[in-house]
Amino acid sequence: SYDVTQPLSVSVALGQTARITCEGDNIRSKSVHWYQQKAGQAPVVVIYRDSNRPSGIPERFSGSNSENTASLTISGAQVGDEGDYYCQVWDSNAWVFGGGTKLTVL
Amino acid sequence: QVQLVESGGGLVKPGGSLRLSCAASGFTFGEHYMSWIRQAPGKGLEWISYITSSGSITYYADSVKGRFTISRDNAEKVLYLQINDLRVEDTAVYYCARDAVRSGYNWFDPWGQGTLVTVSS
Repeated sequence: SYDVTQPLSVSVALGQTARITCEGDNIRSKSVHWYQQKAGQAPVVVIYRDSNRPSGIPERFSGSNSENTASLTISGAQVGDEGDYYCQVWDSNAWVFGGGTKLTVL
Repeated sequence: QVQLVESGGGLVKPGGSLRLSCAASGFTFGEHYMSWIRQAPGKGLEWISYITSSGSITYYADSVKGRFTISRDNAEKVLYLQINDLRVEDTAVYYCARDAVRSGYNWFDPWGQGTLVTVSS
């Protein structure tokens, strides 16, 4: 089965840039989607198909996908961006989620 | 607006069964693939099952294959998850989610609020 790996946690100073990675073998060949989950809430998509931002998601959220690493970048992180972030791909007739990354804004 | 509302969760003894439901509204249910995802307490997201818009094709995670059955009633706009032989490790919040695009195999948007299943003796 296909595995994707995320860092357990990422910390960022208020207003600075946070980068959350999602590593997988040749992940560049797949579409990667990113979800934000705040405490006690259901996940919400923040980036779809590698780098597309849904309506209503702030411009500070961006995504990229290259070789073996997909990335979610939050430029000018805000306290309201704290939460857990998950990447997702489709592979071999199964959806795969990364283990999740806890983002802390200091 | 697009809305998904899960129900059917609760406290069940090991070996028991449950049927979860996900009522859809605000969109043409029969045109979208649907999924079930669960989240154990304090853990990450685990995809469980996926069903095409017609219900003709289903997919399951290896961890639940043979015990879980996904189905749908497009006329009633309801997605189901039948869970048999429940185990303590099935304890989780169960979410349903809609494929964002009608063609399938796309991101999930939106998700329901989840229903809690607790398996304990």
